[in-house]
Amino acid sequence: QQPVQSPQAVILREGEDAVINCSSSKALYSVHWYRQKHGEAPVFLMILLKGGEQKGHDKISASFNEKKQQSSLYLTASQLSYSGTYFCGTEDYSFGNEKLTFGTGTRLTIIP
Amino acid sequence: SQTIHQWPATLVQPVGSPLSLECTVEGTSNPNLYWYRQAAGRGLQLLFYSVGIGQISSEVPQNLSASRPQDRQFILSSKKLLLSDSGFYLCAWIRNTEAFFGQGTRLTVV
Repeated sequence: QQPVQSPQAVILREGEDAVINCSSSKALYSVHWYRQKHGEAPVFLMILLKGGEQKGHDKISASFNEKKQQSSLYLTASQLSYSGTYFCGTEDYSFGNEKLTFGTGTRLTIIP
Repeated sequence: SQTIHQWPATLVQPVGSPLSLECTVEGTSNPNLYWYRQAAGRGLQLLFYSVGIGQISSEVPQNLSASRPQDRQFILSSKKLLLSDSGFYLCAWIRNTEAFFGQGTRLTVV
């Protein structure tokens, strides 16, 4: 089953903050975050491997609540370059095979 | 260094025609390989994944099939395309828990 992201879309002015949430109905072993620019392939942002882990670089960070099966991506003081669609990804190790499933996506638009 | 190649970049095919998209990975061995499809303005739908030669797992029953004839080659095929097969197809592999994508193939079925 596909993780559900919220909100589906958000429009911000440059400099504002955003939070994107990712929820799964299955237990999460890890959470990936990716950003996709229009017409391009997704690009890896970060991965969280442990419950309670928080990670970040530049002004983008993320947290992982293993018990709640949720992860959140935080974008602080957003820049025009942050525009794009953000996807969370979850790994499933059913039957010993690694399967990477992406969330429903959140379209972020930053306006000047 | 490891790279992933996917071609063609764009494709326009008539309904009922066959399809073959190829993905190859360089610089690694025995990678886990994935095919995803993205409809316009939508999310990434996992179609197939493979953990080794000849091993294919299908996620969604549909008009497509996949094959892995060689360790670093993953092929997506269809015998007869439908209009609903249009979309952006992405091949990916995972290294050290990070997914790397090919540049994608934009398929338009007309």
